[in-house]
Amino acid sequence: KAGVTQTPRYLIKTRGQQVTLSCSPISGHRSVSWYQQTPGQGLQFLFEYFSETQRNKGNFPGRFSGRQFSNSRSEMNVSTLELGDSALYLCASSWGTSGTDTQYFGPGTRLTVL
Amino acid sequence: KQEVTQIPAALSVPEGENLVLNCSFTDSAIYNLQWFRQDPGKGLTSLLLIQSSQREQTSGRLNASLDKSSGRSTLYIAASQPGDSATYLCALGAGGFKTIFGAGTRLFVKA
Repeated sequence: KAGVTQTPRYLIKTRGQQVTLSCSPISGHRSVSWYQQTPGQGLQFLFEYFSETQRNKGNFPGRFSGRQFSNSRSEMNVSTLELGDSALYLCASSWGTSGTDTQYFGPGTRLTVL
Repeated sequence: KQEVTQIPAALSVPEGENLVLNCSFTDSAIYNLQWFRQDPGKGLTSLLLIQSSQREQTSGRLNASLDKSSGRSTLYIAASQPGDSATYLCALGAGGFKTIFGAGTRLFVKA
């Protein structure tokens, strides 16, 4: 069974640009959660999607958005990039909700904003 | 508000030593508790998940315990190896769409 995949693995952007990251969950999983990880702030929750609907959202500005498709694949978008958005972006999938089932993480997308 | 604390923040031990990592939480109303391992620059790997009705789970050299009444979970690693060097995070499943992560313990096992 294939694990959680994330594309691209590495990205370099400049300030003001926008970026779209993709996450393909484990087959059959319905929930996808997104996290931002930085050395200073640790792992921070962005949002969770379940059955194509955003169910929970962390404390991030509106520049961060996401969506989930009918096949459970998810994308997150960051507009008007800032230097502080440089981070490892992780997605996790679970069969049920993140708060009740085992979460499986992808390898992450390393975003660098210059 | 649920808070999760992992102590110590960093730990260095010689190879072969048995060790315990700690995770404490303030609200006992949890659904489950999950332990993860993260290697530098990589994603998180699930190690063990304990349901709130369980007291412990074991996998190989790893044993995780849960005591909801005292708000504590421990991850016991037997006969540590250099390959165990990583950051270990605990995460509380609070039910619904809510998971709360600790800041992690960085473990270094010296050969």
